[in-house]
Amino acid sequence: EAQVTQNPRYLITVTGKKLTVTCSQNMNHEYMSWYRQDPGLGLRQIYYSMNVEVTDKGDVPEGYKVSRKEKRNFPLILESPSPNQTSLYFCASRAGTGNQPQHFGDGTRLSIL
Amino acid sequence: GESVGLHLPTLSVQEGDNSIINCAYSNSASDYFIWYKQESGKGPQFIIDIRSNMDKRQGQRVTVLLNKTVKHLSLQIAATQPGDSAVYFCAENLGSKSGGGADGLTFGKGTHLIIQP
Repeated sequence: EAQVTQNPRYLITVTGKKLTVTCSQNMNHEYMSWYRQDPGLGLRQIYYSMNVEVTDKGDVPEGYKVSRKEKRNFPLILESPSPNQTSLYFCASRAGTGNQPQHFGDGTRLSIL
Repeated sequence: GESVGLHLPTLSVQEGDNSIINCAYSNSASDYFIWYKQESGKGPQFIIDIRSNMDKRQGQRVTVLLNKTVKHLSLQIAATQPGDSAVYFCAENLGSKSGGGADGLTFGKGTHLIIQP
């Protein structure tokens, strides 16, 4: 089954404790992306990657890092999480470039205390 | 009290009726549009897409209409069922973009579709 898998699904942690949210897709997609979803603000892009070793900032990249060492994986790293990063995070992937729909994971709910 | 922007627009329809969800997009240069459905506790699920060289596209029980003159997109769901209850949002894509910044896909804030029995 074609899917985007995120882990963990839920995490409660404390300010300053580094964390990584993993994302893996089994569709051999070149493009992967991370979003955060907040009430009243909709989905906002954090980072995206057009292919292996190619990453770029989205609209709200501050406080986040990503890496793309393999085509299937695109982890999101919070080096020093802060409470304003409490949110619902989604990873997505799509084939190629341009006009293709993105496929989303089921989300990771992060709470930073 | 309520805070502006925290509550999504809501559309309430009777089971079996047709639903029409509207979206105004922002950029006349957008050349690709997508509708997503998001159920509680899940990620956005692709429903249907349309390119700017079309004004209508049909899927199974869904139809998307594009009016480029007024920058308006709509999603029609025929014979609405309880399983259609979700938040629906549109996304527009500027197509190929060079350089940095977000990769062209902008999402609307969504409409909550409620199905009444």
